[in-house]
Amino acid sequence: QREVEQDPGPLSVPEGAIVSLNCTYSNSAFQYFMWYRQYSRKGPELLMYTYSSGNKEDGRFTAQVDKSSKYISLFIRDSQPSDSATYLCAMSGDSGNTPLVFGKGTRLSVIA
Amino acid sequence: DGGITQSPKYLFRKEGQNVTLSCEQNLNHDAMYWYRQDPGQGLRLIYYSQIVNDFQKGDIAEGYSVSREKKESFPLTVTSAQKNPTAFYLCASSLLAGEVLNEQFFGPGTRLTVL
Repeated sequence: QREVEQDPGPLSVPEGAIVSLNCTYSNSAFQYFMWYRQYSRKGPELLMYTYSSGNKEDGRFTAQVDKSSKYISLFIRDSQPSDSATYLCAMSGDSGNTPLVFGKGTRLSVIA
Repeated sequence: DGGITQSPKYLFRKEGQNVTLSCEQNLNHDAMYWYRQDPGQGLRLIYYSQIVNDFQKGDIAEGYSVSREKKESFPLTVTSAQKNPTAFYLCASSLLAGEVLNEQFFGPGTRLTVL
């Protein structure tokens, strides 16, 4: 069993929809929870991160972490065609010296 | 203009040949990483290095080798021992700072095709 599970999709939604992307994990030592966005044939870039449990909002994006359930989510409101990309969750422990553990990524298409 | 560069963007090689992928960063980051990405597989860690002249195996190191002779450079060699080398290879770097977020910055990737 992988440490981080993420449904690879693909997920296709109409423009303006609310998108929910999710990951589950098994390692209770994870403290940093990140979402990377990767456009086709490009390197991933950090979209948002949260530390420990709670919510974080940045414009149309909201990241949620539920450590009791070992479940994290990324919500995209008023989705746009420019949001079409692969979204990867990534996690690490408290130390900045440990490599990140990535999910498989969910491929999202927002249709105009 | 700071960042991570990978070259070449596309690379074709014949089966049985070794090939070296370049990764350079001018962000003054301590750590560098190599990942392999296959469709539906996400990012899998090949090797990483936290300091010059030292590196550690990741989850799928077999058939690969690396060196870290300079802080800004971390080349990856795909050897003939790698059974399925065709993939998208991503290099990343991060500033190690103890108990803080290990934000990794990625290069644009190299797509290797072995014929």
